[in-house]
Amino acid sequence: DAGVTQSPTHLIKTRGQQVTLRCSPKSGHDTVSWYQQALGQGPQFIFQYYEEEERQRGNFPDRFSGHQFPNYSSELNVNALLLGDSALYLCASSLNQGWDTEAFFGQGTRLTVV
Amino acid sequence: KNEVEQSPQNLTAQEGEFITINCSYSVGISALHWLQQHPGGGIVSLFMLSSGKKKHGRLIATINIQEKHSSLHITASHPRDSAVYICAVSPKGSASKLTFGTGTRLQVTL
Repeated sequence: DAGVTQSPTHLIKTRGQQVTLRCSPKSGHDTVSWYQQALGQGPQFIFQYYEEEERQRGNFPDRFSGHQFPNYSSELNVNALLLGDSALYLCASSLNQGWDTEAFFGQGTRLTVV
Repeated sequence: KNEVEQSPQNLTAQEGEFITINCSYSVGISALHWLQQHPGGGIVSLFMLSSGKKKHGRLIATINIQEKHSSLHITASHPRDSAVYICAVSPKGSASKLTFGTGTRLQVTL
């Protein structure tokens, strides 16, 4: 049973470009959350998708957008990249049961903006 | 002030030592998570708890809801335990959204 998989693992982009990161949740999970982890910091919540809709959002600008597909996989898009967007982007999947369940994390995508 | 505070930020121990990492939080929660992050990024969930105590192998996690405090203990520490340990909480009303502490970097030496 594959856990949470993210692609790509590493990515280098130039300021102003756009990037798309992908996440496949653990089998049976229907909820995907995205986090940004700057170097030396704890992860920060970006947003969460459930039933193909953004259910919650953290304090991130509109340049950060996402999508969830019918198979529950998800994409994170970042437009007009800034140097400060360089970070590890983590995807976590869980099962929506109306109460908190254990989250499973992917290995992350390390994005470097130059 | 962060909603989730951990201490210590860095910890060095010798193999075999008993280790304690503390987490305090300031919001109402539905669950608290202890996570392990190795160099390279991947995060592994160690425990999710909302009351009492849980044990898995050499790891023990406790939580005191009234005091808004949790501890992670590692007995008979080993160099392979070296990692960053992160406390995260699920605030009430925010299903599955986690708020993280900044982590405790643990180095266990021979």
